[in-house]
Amino acid sequence: SQQGEEDPQALSIQEGENATMNCSYKTSINNLQWYRQNSGRGLVHLILIRSNEREKHSGRLRVTLDTSKKSSSLLITASRAADTASYFCATGLTSYGKLTFGQGTILTVHP
Amino acid sequence: NAGVMQNPRHLVRRRGQEARLRCSPMKGHSHVYWYRQLPEEGLKFMVYLQKENIIDESGMPKERFSAEFPKEGPSILRIQQVVRGDSAAYFCASSPPTQSDEQFFGPGTRLTVL
Repeated sequence: SQQGEEDPQALSIQEGENATMNCSYKTSINNLQWYRQNSGRGLVHLILIRSNEREKHSGRLRVTLDTSKKSSSLLITASRAADTASYFCATGLTSYGKLTFGQGTILTVHP
Repeated sequence: NAGVMQNPRHLVRRRGQEARLRCSPMKGHSHVYWYRQLPEEGLKFMVYLQKENIIDESGMPKERFSAEFPKEGPSILRIQQVVRGDSAAYFCASSPPTQSDEQFFGPGTRLTVL
C-alpha cells in the first residue's frame, strides 16, 4: 500500500454537519499537507502541518498530526455545499522536494 | 501576484506525436515540480527542478519523458511519441527558495491521446 492513504474513500453529509477525513502514512515525514480539488480543476492548498506540530487551525479547518500513529485528520466544521470536492493528504519527507499523495476522499455536502 | 500558470489547459495529440506542456511558476519561486494524475487517482510525483538543474527525477518514466527549467522562460515537460496511456492531467507546482515545503499548484494540463 502507498504512503498517504485517506479514509474514508467517500463521505456524504448534510450542510452544517462536520466532516472528518483521515490520512495514514508509513514512513517518517517532515510535513503533511492537505489539498482540495474540485472536479476537473487544480489543487488548492488548505493547510500544512510540520512533524513537530500536533494541531493547526485555519478558519473552519482543523488538522491534527499523530506521528506515533503515523496519521493525520482533517476536520471541516459547519460544512457547506461549496465544500464538496476531493480532499488529498500529501506527505513530504524533507522540507523541500516531492510530495506523496494519497488517493483522496470524495466529500459531498448536500444542501 | 499571479499564481502558477500552465498552458495549454487542454491538449489533444495522436499516438506518436509529441506533447509539450509549459509551466510558469509563481513570481519569485525557484522550485518547480511536475505531477501526473490519472483518472480517479491521486497525484504521482514525476520530477523536481530548480533553475537549470534537475534535482529529483525518480518519478519520470525512463523513456519518452523529459523536463527542463531553463534560466529564462517556463519549465517544459516534454513527452515524445505519446501513447494512449499518457492521457492524464499533468500538474505543475512551485515553491519559493525559502520556506519551500509548501507547494502551490497550477490548474493543470489535460492531455488526451487519440
